[in-house]
Amino acid sequence: EVQLVESGGGLVQPGGSLRLSCAASGFTFSSYAMSWVRQAPGKGLEWVSVSSGGGGSTYYADSVRGRFTISRDNSKNTVYLQMDSLRAEDTALYYCAKESEVVATIDGTIDFWGQGTLVTVSS
Amino acid sequence: QSALTQEASVSGTVGQKVTLSCTGNSNNIGSYTVAWYQQISHGVPKLVMFGSSLPSGIPDRFSGSKSGTTASLTISGLQPEDEAHYYCSTWDYRLSARVFGGGTKLTVL
Repeated sequence: EVQLVESGGGLVQPGGSLRLSCAASGFTFSSYAMSWVRQAPGKGLEWVSVSSGGGGSTYYADSVRGRFTISRDNSKNTVYLQMDSLRAEDTALYYCAKESEVVATIDGTIDFWGQGTLVTVSS
Repeated sequence: QSALTQEASVSGTVGQKVTLSCTGNSNNIGSYTVAWYQQISHGVPKLVMFGSSLPSGIPDRFSGSKSGTTASLTISGLQPEDEAHYYCSTWDYRLSARVFGGGTKLTVL
């Protein structure tokens, strides 16, 4: 059974940093790309970033490029999202999501989602 | 503003057939398969359609199609439990990003 468990969310001041983690189980972690998707309160889904199965290929949404960094440790079956220079508009529930292919640019999709971890950016 | 355009809201009665649409361009829908996600009461999104393929456990009253740069999700025989927000998504090669539609709120009357 696929499981994705996010952690690391919380309250942070504008300009601060936070690192999210997502522990995966139930599948061969290194064989699949992993994404982060966020949802601001009362809003729709917004894709944030993706890492290929090996970690060598990463992509970012324009809204976070240069501030967020995705990485993964395949020995620990864990993907991370380092978030720096946080802004109020980054406040959202952050979902960790499994992709269906080893790289996102192959014609695949997100096929499983974690429960999410809440990030609140406020003074 | 979302890269993919969806109706803000759609409604139907129990047993009715409804179709949700998702419009993009040649960089996204025109080049890649479209996925549809169901989110009930702001819970965890669930994949309900990938192209015209039904994921395991999804009722066969759901079907998907695409014509050019517009994808559609059809629910035949609408059920009360289908009331949810539905999001379309695909890859955009010009943006090098996964893109989502703004979501459609489906109400079952």
